[in-house]
Order: sequence, then C-alpha cells, then structure tokens
Amino acid sequence: GDSVTQMEGPVTLSEEAFLTINCTYTATGYPSLFWYVQYPGEGLQLLLKATKADDKGSNKGFEATYRKETTSFHLEKGSVQVSDSAVYFCALSDYNQGGKLIFGQGTELSVKP
Amino acid sequence: ETGVTQTPRHLVMGMTNKKSLKCEQHLGHNAMYWYKQSAKKPLELMFVYSLEERVENNSVPSRFSPECPNSSHLFLHLHTLQPEDSALYLCASSPQRQSNQPQHFGDGTRLSIL
Repeated sequence: GDSVTQMEGPVTLSEEAFLTINCTYTATGYPSLFWYVQYPGEGLQLLLKATKADDKGSNKGFEATYRKETTSFHLEKGSVQVSDSAVYFCALSDYNQGGKLIFGQGTELSVKP
Repeated sequence: ETGVTQTPRHLVMGMTNKKSLKCEQHLGHNAMYWYKQSAKKPLELMFVYSLEERVENNSVPSRFSPECPNSSHLFLHLHTLQPEDSALYLCASSPQRQSNQPQHFGDGTRLSIL
C-alpha cells in the first residue's frame, strides 16, 4: 500500500540555519503531496502542497518540490526562526486509495536562538 | 481561524464515564474525519464520513461511537474508555472524500483517561 517515510527527529538547529527535512513516498497512482505543521498545543495546519510532478509548493519561506523520479518531497527553508519550532508531517493523498491522507511519522524541529 | 472547531479542548474522564467530543466545520465541506494522535505514534485514521454517511471505520473499538447528524457537525461518543485511549483526537474536513484536496484540521481535544 501507499506509505510515507520521513527523517527521524528531533532536529535541532540554530536560528538562521538552513533546514531540510527528507520525505519519500511510495504510491500506486499519482498522489498529491502535502506538508503539514503542528505547533505545540494545536492541530495540524497545511503548510504547502504539490499536485503533480515537478510542482513546487511554497509558503512562509518553506519550499518542497514534487520529484517523481526519486519519489521525494523534501521540505526546505533557507533561514529558520525560533517560531518555526514545531512538528512537521509529510503526507500524500491518492485518488486511487479513496483520497485517504497517508501521513509520515512526523519530524520534530527545535530552533534555538 | 482554522474553519474547523473542536470542543472541548481538554477532557479528563474516568473509565466508566460517558462523554462526547464535538467538531464543527464552517467550510462547506462534504467529508469529515476523526483521527487519533498518540505520543510517538503516527496519526491513526479512525472514521470517515462523506455526506453524513460513514464510509470507513478502521477497526476502531465499539467504545468509540461516531455520529454525523449533518455535513457541518461530527461527534465522537465515548463510553467505558481505557487508559490507552488517552490521546489527542483530531477532527478534519475536506471538500470531497475521493479527491486530492487537503484536509483542514481542528485544534483537537486532549483526552486523559484516569
């Protein structure tokens, strides 16, 4: 079945450092890909999305490119802030699987001043 | 403002109590979902409703009973829960069930079973 694998956390960075959180997926069809973010004490918020190969999703300085050839959707940000500390979830939605959201296990990011 | 509102935000209950979690969405969506988020575990999809009809039940114990009276409201009725049911329960909605549109989440109900 479809699955999503993320790099394990926690990831600890200093403010203004470069961030990469790796995400790879397996899917039988042509899924849409998402990054969600969960701040402490809150639910999940959609951060960005990409619906087809080579699409780049971007929001709040974060970017991720849908790479079909490597089945990846890595999250990047050039300069992180303390306020980016949260748990980040990579997810896919495959129409062939009833549109169900399949989540990775989440990666905790901690940014120190 | 997420468009999906869950109440209560926190709930502490004994194993013999009966309580209900409520979710309301103001987005005009037709599909609604219940998820369970436990520490150190991936999100678990519990139930899916599409146009007020339950379309998926992922082997959830009968002590959890969902109800969807209309497309804007979703409830999770709780009865005789176990300590391992302590978790964050998240509600989500999406325009349609079988689509690649993102789901919108509420802030969750933090449930603690004594």
